[in-house]
Amino acid sequence: DTAVSQTPKYLVTQMGNDKSIKCEQNLGHDTMYWYKQDSKKFLKIMFSYNNKELIINETVPNRFSPKSPDKAHLNLHINSLELGDSAVYFCASSRTGYNSPLHFGNGTRLTVT
Amino acid sequence: AQKVTQAQTEISVVEKEDVTLDCVYETRDTTYYLFWYKQPPSGELVFLIRRNSFDEQNEISGRYSWNFQKSTSSFNFTITASQVVDSAVYFCALSGVSGGSYIPTFGRGTSLIVHP
Repeated sequence: DTAVSQTPKYLVTQMGNDKSIKCEQNLGHDTMYWYKQDSKKFLKIMFSYNNKELIINETVPNRFSPKSPDKAHLNLHINSLELGDSAVYFCASSRTGYNSPLHFGNGTRLTVT
Repeated sequence: AQKVTQAQTEISVVEKEDVTLDCVYETRDTTYYLFWYKQPPSGELVFLIRRNSFDEQNEISGRYSWNFQKSTSSFNFTITASQVVDSAVYFCALSGVSGGSYIPTFGRGTSLIVHP
């Protein structure tokens, strides 16, 4: 069973559209994250949720809205997509605490044309 | 504030060579954890190792070894007798309690290319 699964794996869409990426973890972790990886491989934290509560919201355009219906799910909705949103988006989960490694999903490659 | 520096952007070696990936960090925390992750060409991010700030023992796992030196704020990763399958981007990360957040800080990654 996949520990952290995100769908879809690839997403190609046009500017101005709205899209969602789903993420689910079956590890029993209570903290989940969204990271954006740019073309230079830089990993940038976007959001972090702990037990469905938002704990980190980095400087991200408000076109990005995370939603956590329960602690096993953290979805990412993006409105009015722009060319600069093209990247790989990774979902991750961990136990709460700074000693816990992150478990990543396989990423969603978003291409905005 | 926390900072992780991986000064080597890309390293290219020939199979069977030994290679060391450098990681230097900055933190005000006295208690913190350091991590290494691997991202092979297939794209997934895989956790490799965790080390806490009180444990300076070196770790060896097969061809992989990690050298943690608090005195130089470094947590370097050595691959002995590299293989083509080691080709990947390797990320070093630091997690502490600065600012009340547990969010790890990642370095920019080192791309390792192992040629046959």
